[in-house]
This record gives sequence, structure tokens and C-alpha cells, in this order.
Amino acid sequence: SQTIHQWPATLVQPVGSPLSLECTVEGTSNPNLYWYRQAAGRGLQLLFYSVGIGQISSEVPQNLSASRPQDRQFILSSKKLLLSDSGFYLCAWELDRALYGYTFGSGTRLTVV
Amino acid sequence: GQQLNQSPQSMFIQEGEDVSMNCTSSSIFNTWLWYKQDPGEGPVLLIALYKAGELTSNGRLTAQFGITRKDSFLNISASIPSDVGIYFCAGRRAGNQFYFGTGTSLTVIP
Repeated sequence: SQTIHQWPATLVQPVGSPLSLECTVEGTSNPNLYWYRQAAGRGLQLLFYSVGIGQISSEVPQNLSASRPQDRQFILSSKKLLLSDSGFYLCAWELDRALYGYTFGSGTRLTVV
Repeated sequence: GQQLNQSPQSMFIQEGEDVSMNCTSSSIFNTWLWYKQDPGEGPVLLIALYKAGELTSNGRLTAQFGITRKDSFLNISASIPSDVGIYFCAGRRAGNQFYFGTGTSLTVIP
């Protein structure tokens, strides 16, 4: 069966520090991968999505970037965190625009201090 | 990106009451989904709908794909404390990404 892993679960980082959040999917090949941010427990904002290795689409210009170095690995990064980057970050996957929707990871709570 | 409008934004209900919420879009969708998010967790898929007018149940949950294809509805019967959370709708046109609703926060008072 397919599973999605996100880590870390919680992160407290100072302003100006770098960020790396990792998401991996097991049990499938060539998934579509997504990074979402959720502020204050409401609303899912799509940040990036990827349909293949090295293919990244950005939905919102910001202080963040994404990379997909391997088929089932999706990384969210920042060179210098801002206070406004705080939030709940969710990774999700689906199999090639299949009908059954996205499966989400358990999320990373990022607090920038 | 497009965002779907969900209403109500929040609900406070007594245990045992029924719950109704809806989701509307300015665009026609081919697929509607309903998710539930527990505090501190990722959303979990509850129900998927694929045809206009379709009515699908999952236990005490029932969702409908609106006949205009621009809306969807979720009902929860006989609410219990573990129904607490945020409910999201999501819609998609063929071949595109899903667009998510603004969420309905549900609080169940024992």
C-alpha cells in the first residue's frame, strides 16, 4: 500500500535561518506531488506541485522553493526564513490525476521566531 | 488560484444534532471531494463524487454532487464529539489540480 511521510513534525526556526522540509511517498511510482501551506488552521494554499523529477510549478511567488530530486521525494526549502513563513505545511500526492484525489501527509508545524 | 466558498465558516452544535454544510464554485467541476482535518493532522478524504446529482454515503456522512456541477453538499447525521474538526471541499475540472474550499470548522458540544 502507498504511504506518505513528512518530517519533521514540528520545527522552530529563527528568522533568517534556512529551511528544508522533506516529503517521501512509498509504494507508488511517478506520483504528482504537492506542497500546501495552511495558516491559522484554515485554508489550504497551494505552494508548489510537481508532475515528475525536476519539474516544479510554483503557484505563489514567495520566499520558498521546491525541488524533486527523486521520483518519490519532494523538498521544500528556504534560504532565509521570514516570520510570515510560519504555518502548517502539508505534502500531498496523487497518481496521475486519478479520480480518487490527494492523499495528505501528517504535516509540519513551522514556527519562525 | 481559484478558491471555493464554503459555508458556514464555523458551526457549534450539540451532540446528536445533524449538520449541513455546502461548497460553491463559479466554475463547473467534474469531481468533488470532501475532506476532514483533525487538529494538527493532515486532511483525510471522506467522500468522492464523480457525477452530477450523485449522492454518496460513508457511515453517518452523506455528500451530494450538485446538479449544476458548481456546488456540493455534506451532511452529518447524529453528530458525535469525534466529528470535531475542519471540513474541506475540493473540486476539479478534468486534467487540472484540485481547488480547495475555505473550510468549515465544526465544534460538537457534548
